[in-house]
Amino acid sequence: QQQVKQSPQSLIVQKGGISIINCAYENTAFDYFPWYQQFPGKGPALLIAIRPDVSEKKEGRFTISFNKSAKQFSLHIMDSQPGDSATYFCAASSMGSNYQLIWGAGTKLIIKP
Amino acid sequence: AAGVIQSPRHLIKEKRETATLKCYPIPRHDTVYWYQQGPGQDPQFLISFYEKMQSDKGSIPDRFSAQQFSDYHSELNMSSLELGDSALYFCASSLVGAKNIQYFGAGTRLSVL
Repeated sequence: QQQVKQSPQSLIVQKGGISIINCAYENTAFDYFPWYQQFPGKGPALLIAIRPDVSEKKEGRFTISFNKSAKQFSLHIMDSQPGDSATYFCAASSMGSNYQLIWGAGTKLIIKP
Repeated sequence: AAGVIQSPRHLIKEKRETATLKCYPIPRHDTVYWYQQGPGQDPQFLISFYEKMQSDKGSIPDRFSAQQFSDYHSELNMSSLELGDSALYFCASSLVGAKNIQYFGAGTRLSVL
């Protein structure tokens, strides 16, 4: 059973558009929510992360929106570029479990030129 | 900046053989994590070490063992290899004061024939 549910499984967005990936969790003990970007054959790279005391975090074209009451968080990629084409994983962790990462199933994002 | 180094990058083994994967964490990082990622799947946590002691254990088969050495590098030993062990194996490292932030290596692609 996936403790962190991620959707959609795949996403196609036109260049310049907004890419939105959603995640939901159940365990209220989670206190750290990172997003990882993975290119084929490469290791996951930390993209941006948020803690539950903040509702939004923005870094360049990447924004995390966090809704603590709904236990949901999402990644928005503004002005999506072909170089953003990759698989994106949301994850969650907690201090109580030594920050072991619990992963979403991943979203394969394709940005069409 | 130095990153997590994994070797070898690719490994081909026969069924029932053994394999050893190595991980060199980022300098001054004292925690190492091992993950297994099957094709099109999210990474699955195997095991982690902090200060050369096992700190957490995930879905690691009994045929696998791992350790962290005095220089903080870690090795994942896999015996009696099965076809289903074919996967990408990632190592990640973190600092004890920031265990929530894990940096991943490029991975070792293991193919069992």
